[in-house]
Amino acid sequence: GENVEQHPSTLSVQEGDSAVIKCTYSDSASNYFPWYKQELGKRPQLIIDIRSNVGEKKDQRIAVTLNKTAKHFSLHITETQPEDSAVYFCAAASYNFNKFYFGSGTKLNVKP
Amino acid sequence: SQTIHQWPATLVQPVGSPLSLECTVEGTSNPNLYWYRQAAGRGLQLLFYSVGIGQISSEVPQNLSASRPQDRQFILSSKKLLLSDSGFYLCAWTRPGAGGFTGELFFGEGSRLTVL
Repeated sequence: GENVEQHPSTLSVQEGDSAVIKCTYSDSASNYFPWYKQELGKRPQLIIDIRSNVGEKKDQRIAVTLNKTAKHFSLHITETQPEDSAVYFCAAASYNFNKFYFGSGTKLNVKP
Repeated sequence: SQTIHQWPATLVQPVGSPLSLECTVEGTSNPNLYWYRQAAGRGLQLLFYSVGIGQISSEVPQNLSASRPQDRQFILSSKKLLLSDSGFYLCAWTRPGAGGFTGELFFGEGSRLTVL
């Protein structure tokens, strides 16, 4: 099956700085790459996603880039705020197989 | 609008006891349904998924099982719990679509299981 690796496991930044989280995947059949944010004790929620026919997508302060050739994708958060502190998960999925595989998560701490 | 309900929210069970976690989705039909487990400080591990009534696919061989007795009901069970079964269990669904699904995975609020 698919193997998704995520780095770093923890990330600490100053408020206003940028944060970058990187993921790699193994299955070339994967064509959908969502990112989820999980606040302490709560359910993961989708923050942004990208499909394989797109190289970059942006939504206000967050952006995702995808390199299908290298099988890696990244989450970029600019102008970080304390409320961005949470665990972030990347995932890879294939339309044909209905399965979502998640990375191990990155705990982001934004220091005021 | 669609909602997903999962219960119980918290349970503490002795080793060797049975388990039943339930999940229901409202406001949609024929959803794809999933069970994930999140161990402390770790990622989301796919346990089971289902694309229809009675259709269950297992990702990880273990002492857990899943059933889908109705279109919008998904149940996670065990006959005898192990210490290693402790974790945060999340039910999730996606809308079905051409090619299998149409995008966002929606999670329930989770069930925290502690096996003693």
